[in-house]
Amino acid sequence: QSALTQPRSVSGSPGQSVTIFCSGTSGDIGGYNLVSWYQQHPGKVPKLMICDVTMRPSGVPDRFSGSKSGNTASLTISGLQAEDEADYYCCSYAGSYTWVFGGGTKVTVL
Amino acid sequence: EVQLLESGGGLVHPGGSLRLSCAASGLTFSNYAMTWVRQSPGKGLEWVSSIIGNGGRMFYADSVKGRFTISRDNSKFSLYLQMDSLRVEDTAIYYCAKGKSAGAVDRFDPWGQGTLVTVSS
Repeated sequence: QSALTQPRSVSGSPGQSVTIFCSGTSGDIGGYNLVSWYQQHPGKVPKLMICDVTMRPSGVPDRFSGSKSGNTASLTISGLQAEDEADYYCCSYAGSYTWVFGGGTKVTVL
Repeated sequence: EVQLLESGGGLVHPGGSLRLSCAASGLTFSNYAMTWVRQSPGKGLEWVSSIIGNGGRMFYADSVKGRFTISRDNSKFSLYLQMDSLRVEDTAIYYCAKGKSAGAVDRFDPWGQGTLVTVSS
């Protein structure tokens, strides 16, 4: 159950796009279409932003999108807004009814 | 609206025990797998344990296997986490979260507000 690998931080100006990559293995990201992404503002509870690799739950702005290629998943925020500044965590099913998170990425809006 | 409310956190000595509870409302509780996720202070998220809707199967992270026990009482719309042989590294905010369906976790949505467990001498 090794953690998925995410960059510590990414940044962008308002209106720009940023992409967060989440690297795993064939035993987690590469083996299942069960990747999800969570947004967490400081002192707040995590919120589901993307599930099943690409699905956006009701209420999540369409500027958030997810994808996967091989053992790497990604979250793209298009048209970056000030309220998008937060920590983002990827998560994947890792087989045998276990789940693994990434270490988190801090998104800064310049 | 689904609401989850954790309780039972507190300060405990290494080797001690604690039982966390998560009270659910706004859903047919037995229709959903439930999960505990923790977050150490200033750190990332860690999956701890999940249980399917009827309580018949439980799953644990290696870091807690043999020390923690997840359970649920569907008649009380409640989820529990019995934590024994606690270690300093178990110090974290513990969140409960709802899964996709009775037999599938697949995602964590929504999350409760969390309860803080501090293990210290």
